[in-house]
Amino acid sequence: TQLLEQSPQFLSIQEGENLTVYCNSSSVFSSLQWYRQEPGEGPVLLVTVVTGGEVKKLKRLTFQFGDARKDSSLHITAAQPGDTGLYLCAGAYDYKLSFGAGTTVTVRA
Amino acid sequence: EAEVAQSPRYKITEKSQAVAFWCDPISGHATLYWYRQILGQGPELLVQFQDESVVDDSQLPKDRFSAERLKGVDSTLKIQPAELGDSAMYLCASSFGTGASYEQYFGPGTRLTVT
Repeated sequence: TQLLEQSPQFLSIQEGENLTVYCNSSSVFSSLQWYRQEPGEGPVLLVTVVTGGEVKKLKRLTFQFGDARKDSSLHITAAQPGDTGLYLCAGAYDYKLSFGAGTTVTVRA
Repeated sequence: EAEVAQSPRYKITEKSQAVAFWCDPISGHATLYWYRQILGQGPELLVQFQDESVVDDSQLPKDRFSAERLKGVDSTLKIQPAELGDSAMYLCASSFGTGASYEQYFGPGTRLTVT
């Protein structure tokens, strides 16, 4: 059973469009991490958010941690084909990470 | 840039056979994790080491899976005997320490197919 629910499960958009993926839970996490995983590879850490309400921007990617530290969102502006991949969120509690099932994003050229 | 190394990258084995995976964490990282990722799902923790000691193996199927990190550096995960349901990606990750504030870095994984 995964504590984190990610939505949507799949997302296919045209290059240049914007997209948002969501990560929700009923549990409170001390921090939340976002990863991108390409087929046949391991997840690559994108960002860690720690403070409720925190917003982090990495170029075209904007990450937000909910005020109650139960949910998060990832927004991509002007998506590019290189953004294609599986986006995973992972919540930290105790010494563990609990992963969501991921959102598969496909950006068409 | 330091990376987590894993081998082999791909493994095909018949059911009831033994299989082993190897992981070399980032130098200086005391904590090492083994995860299993079934297609369409997120990674699930199998075992966590702090140096050479097991911190958490509550999700490790101990009747067939074993893991060791004898010198507190590299680690081996073994399955014996393999079953069809073991087909998955096996990921190794490492972090500088144990706790929510330490970020985990993943290796490229070993894709296991059991026939």
